[in-house]
Amino acid sequence: TQLLEQSPQFLSIQEGENLTVYCNSSSVFSSLQWYRQEPGEGPVLLVTVVTGGEVKKLKRLTFQFGDARKDSSLHITAAQPGDTGLYLCAGLTGANNLFFGTGTRLTVIP
Amino acid sequence: DAGVIQSPRHEVTEMGQEVTLRCKPISGHNSLFWYRQTMMRGLELLIYFNNNVPIDDSGMPEDRFSAKMPNASFSTLKIQPSEPRDSAVYFCASRLGVNTEAFFGQGTRLTVV
Repeated sequence: TQLLEQSPQFLSIQEGENLTVYCNSSSVFSSLQWYRQEPGEGPVLLVTVVTGGEVKKLKRLTFQFGDARKDSSLHITAAQPGDTGLYLCAGLTGANNLFFGTGTRLTVIP
Repeated sequence: DAGVIQSPRHEVTEMGQEVTLRCKPISGHNSLFWYRQTMMRGLELLIYFNNNVPIDDSGMPEDRFSAKMPNASFSTLKIQPSEPRDSAVYFCASRLGVNTEAFFGQGTRLTVV
């Protein structure tokens, strides 16, 4: 089992604030994905990053893959209540397996 | 496509009973995953199939758990006998190719009393 630690575990912020979520591992991954999960539903893919150092932007969300392909970050600018949810990073191994991180539960207060 | 379909959505059973969870992946997808989610342990990978063959079952908790994929359109996860600590939401996900999106079902909420 590949261990991916996310921090913080819980985050509660006011609408309009910025935040960063971290995903760290001692393992190297061939790629890394970020998912968002809402109550009663399965996780839904936000982005896939493949190359070490890669940065991808999705509207107010910025994703970065570490140079060594062991860690990643998710930055949200001007958070909105609709961003509330459970954010999960997931590492893809060479065997094409997919391991999920411990999760960050974000609450954006209007 | 209807997406990944899991059944049942909810299951309540007594300790010691056999439980079978079912999953229909998206047509054409060649990878299938079973996960278990709890507040304490997060989303744990139980088993991963590729082209109907189990590739990694190291996450299966113990011999009480077994998974099968008899064909490309159906998989089962069986717990026998079930225990209260097995209570969780069980997700099935499928995917086509590498570095692609894993599509999740809506999960089965299992409660063992």
